[in-house]
Amino acid sequence: AQTVTQSQPEMSVQEAETVTLSCTYDTSESNYYLFWYKQPPSRQMILVIRQEAYKQQNATENRFSVNFQKAAKSFSLKISDSQLGDTAMYFCAFMKLSDDKIIFGKGTRLHILP
Amino acid sequence: SAVISQKPSRDICQRGTSLTIQCQVDSQVTMMFWYRQQPGQSLTLIATANQGSEATYESGFVIDKFPISRPNLTFSTLTVSNMSPEDSSIYLCSVARLDSYEQYFGPGTRLTVT
Repeated sequence: AQTVTQSQPEMSVQEAETVTLSCTYDTSESNYYLFWYKQPPSRQMILVIRQEAYKQQNATENRFSVNFQKAAKSFSLKISDSQLGDTAMYFCAFMKLSDDKIIFGKGTRLHILP
Repeated sequence: SAVISQKPSRDICQRGTSLTIQCQVDSQVTMMFWYRQQPGQSLTLIATANQGSEATYESGFVIDKFPISRPNLTFSTLTVSNMSPEDSSIYLCSVARLDSYEQYFGPGTRLTVT
């Protein structure tokens, strides 16, 4: 069975700083997808960034980038120039290529301080 | 992406009653899913809503408690039956298209059972 672990329950950083959220996962699959979702207080789940396991290049979306280490089964999210609107719960998630079911980590609550 | 709406956005219900939650998407999608997010917790998949056939339930969830309908490619309902306070959660639907592995979430329904 697949598992997703987020070891940082809560983090706080100053506005404009860079922050990295950690995620590790366990799977015997070779082909899969990884995601970071953001859930602000409004509770709307927003897809932040996605990574296909077969791609070696790390995904980037504006201020958001990942460090994907397939051998280490690590998938961290880096937020550059953090903004107050980045305050949210962030979930790391895994999905097998052959399966549409997403497995979520427990989340990291991120506070961006003014 | 897709625009997804859920009704109601929140409700307070008495134990022993049932509530039906609706999920509407603005375009035809292949897959629709229902998740539960208990207070302060991560998301757990309840079931996959299949168009024209019975839903596929995850371990720990049964049709008698969470009947699901999906009469067409843009609409699904989840009923929480014979509610107890333990059913107090946020219920979210998500959708995905056959040509995309990305899932997009509705705004969620916050249910409180007293």
